[in-house]
Amino acid sequence: GESVGLHLPTLSVQEGDNSIINCAYSNSASDYFIWYKQESGKGPQFIIDIRSNMDKRQGQRVTVLLNKTVKHLSLQIAATQPGDSAVYFCAENTGTASKLTFGTGTRLQVTL
Amino acid sequence: GAVVSQHPSWVICKSGTSVKIECRSLDFQATTMFWYRQFPKQSLMLMATSNEGSKATYEQGVEKDKFLINHASLTLSTLTVTSAHPEDSSFYICSAGTRTSGRPDTQYFGPGTRLTVL
Repeated sequence: GESVGLHLPTLSVQEGDNSIINCAYSNSASDYFIWYKQESGKGPQFIIDIRSNMDKRQGQRVTVLLNKTVKHLSLQIAATQPGDSAVYFCAENTGTASKLTFGTGTRLQVTL
Repeated sequence: GAVVSQHPSWVICKSGTSVKIECRSLDFQATTMFWYRQFPKQSLMLMATSNEGSKATYEQGVEKDKFLINHASLTLSTLTVTSAHPEDSSFYICSAGTRTSGRPDTQYFGPGTRLTVL
């Protein structure tokens, strides 16, 4: 669906704590999901992806969890650092020409 | 690897003029390129999908005559905003896709172009 609203949800975490960013997706037929990080004034940066035949995938300091039953995706960042401060978007592949549909985004603020 | 560039990174133009934005995949050949628009504090909205040598596919509500897309090679796509107006001011981002067999295109994003129309 469309992204509406002028205020991004914000998650504030202390440096060193773990962060969990959540995303609800809309299309039950989506079979590929990606998390992107976007810093101010820059393009999205790939973090991690997961296909629908998996429910968990780990990367370096990041873990993505997929719950297809409730159409929910989460990104866990371990030992959050100031450099992790950014807006995080989940995106789902709709299966048509590899188009991505982006979620509304969550701003992560890391406090010292 | 998988670097995508955009030029210019920012542009200011007068209302009624046209602006061209370039998107290049620097170290790979892109089967597909995508153009997005992002307004402040909002998400990315897909405008169009383009494949090399064929016409772009526009999303519903995006005027193809206003946003001209040319995809002349596997490494270059251009977006031209014709007769720009202040409401076209936005952050325009392209992505280039590489296809892995049996998987959707992996999209690599450019750094974006900030367009301000006075």
